[in-house]
Amino acid sequence: KAGVTQTPRYLIKTRGQQVTLSCSPISGHRSVSWYQQTPGQGLQFLFEYFSETQRNKGNFPGRFSGRQFSNSRSEMNVSTLELGDSALYLCASSSSGIRSNEQYFGPGTRLTVT
Amino acid sequence: QKEVEQNSGPLSVPEGAIASLNCTYSDRVSQSFFWYRQYSGKSPELIMSIYSNGDKEDGRFTAQLNKASQYVSLLIRDSQPSDSATYLCAVEGGDKIIFGKGTRLHILP
Repeated sequence: KAGVTQTPRYLIKTRGQQVTLSCSPISGHRSVSWYQQTPGQGLQFLFEYFSETQRNKGNFPGRFSGRQFSNSRSEMNVSTLELGDSALYLCASSSSGIRSNEQYFGPGTRLTVT
Repeated sequence: QKEVEQNSGPLSVPEGAIASLNCTYSDRVSQSFFWYRQYSGKSPELIMSIYSNGDKEDGRFTAQLNKASQYVSLLIRDSQPSDSATYLCAVEGGDKIIFGKGTRLHILP
């Protein structure tokens, strides 16, 4: 069974630009959750999608958005990038959601904003 | 502001000893509690989940939950050098999950 995949793995963007990150969950998993990890703030929850619907949301500004497709693949978009958005963005896959006793993280996308 | 607190460490434990990692949380309505292990440069890996008061054992790992004291802990028995990593405590409540900043564990050979 293939694991969680994230593309691209590395990305360099300029302030003010927007970026789209992609996450493909484990086959059969309907929940995809997104996280931001920085040295200063640690790991923070962005949002969760389940069966194409956003089910849970963390405390991030509206510049951070996402969506999920019918094949459970998910994308996260960040508009009007700021230097502080530089981080490792992780997605996690689960069959039932963030309360589940199974969560599988992808390798992450390292975003650098200059 | 809901918070999850962990001692950042590093916590140094001799090989073969018991490592004890602790976590406190502020939100009394929290329902689900998790421990993740993260090796340097790698993604987090879920190693334990606990949902009710008491102890839950899985191999060398034991999670302990005390909702009245808003405290969750992870014990690692017979610590091995491969257990050296950062351990993240996570608490789910309402519609979001909050992580502690992690405790760095170093197992001394």
